Amino acid sequence: DIQLTQSPSFLSASVGDRVTITCRASQGISSYLVWYQQKPGKAPKLLIYGASTLQSGVPSRVSGSGSGTEFTLTISSLQPEDFATYYCQQLNSFPLTFGGGTKVEIK
Amino acid sequence: EVQLVESGGGLVQPGGSLRLSCAASGFTFSDHYMDWVRQAPGKGLEWVGRTRNKANSYTTEYAASVKGRFTISRDNSKNSLYLQMDSLKSEDTAIYYCARYISGHQGCDYWGQGTLVTVSS
Repeated sequence: DIQLTQSPSFLSASVGDRVTITCRASQGISSYLVWYQQKPGKAPKLLIYGASTLQSGVPSRVSGSGSGTEFTLTISSLQPEDFATYYCQQLNSFPLTFGGGTKVEIK
Repeated sequence: EVQLVESGGGLVQPGGSLRLSCAASGFTFSDHYMDWVRQAPGKGLEWVGRTRNKANSYTTEYAASVKGRFTISRDNSKNSLYLQMDSLKSEDTAIYYCARYISGHQGCDYWGQGTLVTVSS
C-alpha cells in the first residue's frame, strides 16, 4: 500500500499568513493526488486534483504543486474560513489512501 | 443540484450486520463512480471502497480492512448506492460518507453528510 505522510500534523497561524502543507508518498504516484478540506462536523470538500488543478469554486489563494513523491498545498493569505483540517489522498493505485491530516488553527 | 443523502446508520453489536444507503439526485447516477469513505471518531479519513460506472460494468474495489465483509452495490433505477456491512467489528465504528468520484483521477467532488455506525455490545 502507498503511505502518505503529511507534515505538519498541526499548524497554528494567523489571518493573512502564508501556509504550506506537505504530503510525501512512499512511492511515486505521478500527479494522482488530491487535497480536501474538512471542517468540524462536515464532509470533506475537494480543493485540488491532479496535484495542482484548482477545483471549481475554490479561491485562487489556494494552490497545489508537486509530482512523484512530494506534494504541497499552499494558502497564500490565510482567511478565517480556512481554519480546518486538510487531507491529501493518492489516486494512483488501490487501496486508495489518505494522509493523516493537518489541522490548521488560529494563533 | 447534486445531492447525496446517506441513511441506515445506527448501533449494532459486534458480529452483526447493517446496510447503509445513499440516495443520489441531480446527476446521471449510472454514469458515475461512487466511493464510500469513513472516519472513526476524532480520527482521519479512510477509503472503504468504490463502484465504477455503467461503462466499466459497475465493478468494485475494497480496502483490505473491509474486503470479504463489506459489499458495495447500486440500484441505478433508484439512483441509490448501498454498503452492506457484515461481521462488524468495534473498529468499524465511524461516520460513513458516500461520495461521487470523478474518473480520470479527479477526486470526489460531492459528498453526503455522513451516517454514524456504532459497533458496540
